[in-house]
Amino acid sequence: GNSVTQMEGPVTLSEEAFLTINCTYTATGYPSLFWYVQYPGEGLQLLLKATKADDKGSNKGFEATYRKETTSFHLEKGSVQVSDSAVYFCALSRGGGFKTIFGAGTRLFVKA
Amino acid sequence: NAGVTQTPKFQVLKTGQSMTLQCAQDMNHNSMYWYRQDPGMGLRLIYYSASEGTTDKGEVPNGYNVSRLNKREFSLRLESAAPSQTSVYFCASRDTQGNSYEQYFGPGTRLTVA
Repeated sequence: GNSVTQMEGPVTLSEEAFLTINCTYTATGYPSLFWYVQYPGEGLQLLLKATKADDKGSNKGFEATYRKETTSFHLEKGSVQVSDSAVYFCALSRGGGFKTIFGAGTRLFVKA
Repeated sequence: NAGVTQTPKFQVLKTGQSMTLQCAQDMNHNSMYWYRQDPGMGLRLIYYSASEGTTDKGEVPNGYNVSRLNKREFSLRLESAAPSQTSVYFCASRDTQGNSYEQYFGPGTRLTVA
């Protein structure tokens, strides 16, 4: 079946450090891939997405590239800020189906 | 546009009490979802409604019922609350047109059952 695996947290970084959060998926067909972010006390919101192989999603300095050959969608940011502290969820969804499959989430702490 | 709204924001119940969590979206989306989020557990799907007039069970439906009242509204009911239902509940909607498939989430309802 379809599944998403992302690295366990928490991840603790100093401000301006480089961030990578790994995400791999298992799916039949050609799913769309997403990263959602959840700030403390809030609901999830879409951070970025990619709908086909080799697409790069980007937003707010975050990037992720849809790699079909490695079934991965790793999230990266060159220089994190304290305000990036949040929980990040990798997810996939397929056309024709009505559910989104979420990873377990990775909590990021950024220290000043 | 308000997006996805949920009421109430907070609720404390005694074991055995019932309540209904309300959710509404103003984006004309076909699909709507109820999730619960527990510490360290990520999101778990309780029920979903692929379109108006249909509902289906998710991963953890026991102890819950849902109603898709119309295209805009999707409510979640706890008939007899239990401490194990203490959680944060999120409603979401999704546009099934085109190839976007992204979900839009409400702000959540924080429920404590004592």
